[in-house]
Amino acid sequence: GIQVEQSPPDLILQEGANSTLRCNFSDSVNNLQWFHQNPWGQLINLFYIPSGTKQNGRLSATTVATERYSLLYISSSQTTDSGVYFCAVEFTSGTYKYIFGTGTRLKVLA
Amino acid sequence: DTGVSQNPRHKITKRGQNVTFRCDPISEHNRLYWYRQTLGQGPEFLTYFQNEAQLEKSRLLSDRFSAERPKGSFSTLEIQRTEQGDSAMYLCASSDTAGGSYNEQFFGPGTRLTVL
Repeated sequence: GIQVEQSPPDLILQEGANSTLRCNFSDSVNNLQWFHQNPWGQLINLFYIPSGTKQNGRLSATTVATERYSLLYISSSQTTDSGVYFCAVEFTSGTYKYIFGTGTRLKVLA
Repeated sequence: DTGVSQNPRHKITKRGQNVTFRCDPISEHNRLYWYRQTLGQGPEFLTYFQNEAQLEKSRLLSDRFSAERPKGSFSTLEIQRTEQGDSAMYLCASSDTAGGSYNEQFFGPGTRLTVL
């Protein structure tokens, strides 16, 4: 069936370290978004990236649609980066399907 | 642009009561979505509207749930005869399919429901 899987599920970093989060999806997509969910539950848009590469400050993302994966890079991590990171995918096939990945819980230590 | 707003932010109710949540999307966004998120999980799609038409409903949306978007602007989600299993965060999102980033969704702060 249609799946969206993220890895790693949990990540602990020291402040200043870099990290790569991965999102694998099982079928062709119309769009893909990365979100950061803060401790209060608010989903914050990071990237809208159905294909290609984008950068925003210390964050960048790459989606290779033909190989069905997306990567989120966080450089020089800060304690405020802590939280849960989700990718969310809209699949092209069948009935509208907008599915969130399993999430990566990131904790950045001072 | 004030973003997506949701009211109330928190709701505590007793099992068997009815509850209604409201979502105000970003103005002129033609699509509006409802999701449910339980502790430790990602949001799960419930339903979406394009303007005032409800175009899809998830299997998660039992017959106790009903959603409306009467004038293509704000939306309400009603849960009848609440059960403890309905306790969750209910999230609303909106998007503009005519924009450059097709269907990029923006989320509200959510309504946290606790059923006692």
